[in-house]
Amino acid sequence: RKEVEQDPGPFNVPEGATVAFNCTYSNSASQSFFWYRQDCRKEPKLLMSVYSSGNEDGRFTAQLNRASQYISLLIRDSKLSDSATYLCVVPRPGSARQLTFGSGTQLTVLP
Amino acid sequence: NAGVTQTPKFRILKIGQSMTLQCAQDMNHNYMYWYRQDPGMGLKLIYYSVGAGITDKGEVPNGYNVSRSTTEDFPLRLELAAPSQTSVYFCASSLLTGKGELFFGEGSRLTVL
Repeated sequence: RKEVEQDPGPFNVPEGATVAFNCTYSNSASQSFFWYRQDCRKEPKLLMSVYSSGNEDGRFTAQLNRASQYISLLIRDSKLSDSATYLCVVPRPGSARQLTFGSGTQLTVLP
Repeated sequence: NAGVTQTPKFRILKIGQSMTLQCAQDMNHNYMYWYRQDPGMGLKLIYYSVGAGITDKGEVPNGYNVSRSTTEDFPLRLELAAPSQTSVYFCASSLLTGKGELFFGEGSRLTVL
């Protein structure tokens, strides 16, 4: 299994839709996980951290399934401004100081 | 607050030339990182530093060098540029490692022809 793997998409959804992305990881010892958002030709920015079973922040919910080694990101009531690439980030095996970034899932919210 | 500042934003190099990408942060973060991002790919860690005077290799260090003489600055040196080094380079810093938020610069787009 790759260190981190994401469905690249693209996901094209209408405004107001609910969309979910999954990310699988190989490092079973990982304790912390992150979702970053990257707008086109911009730097990544932290969206959410996931330290236990899950985390919710407004329309965004991140869930962790340790048994199956995947994390998910759910976006409810999608807005046009949610259009971006969402990067799954996990610590590298054997090195908590190094983070592995997934290649990202591209989301386009359509009017 | 400026956060993380990278220069230059764009640069075109000829094969075999050398250059330094500058990175500075004003948040007093101990941890600093250099990543590269190729089109459609995730970020790959080149080098990182846990404090002034301490640097370590990441996933793809070949062809690069770094130094960390101060807490604020973390320059990335490309020696003998090759077309494979055409990429977008991001510098980042964090207060904690492995658990904390990474703050990224705006990126430096490098093309090697």
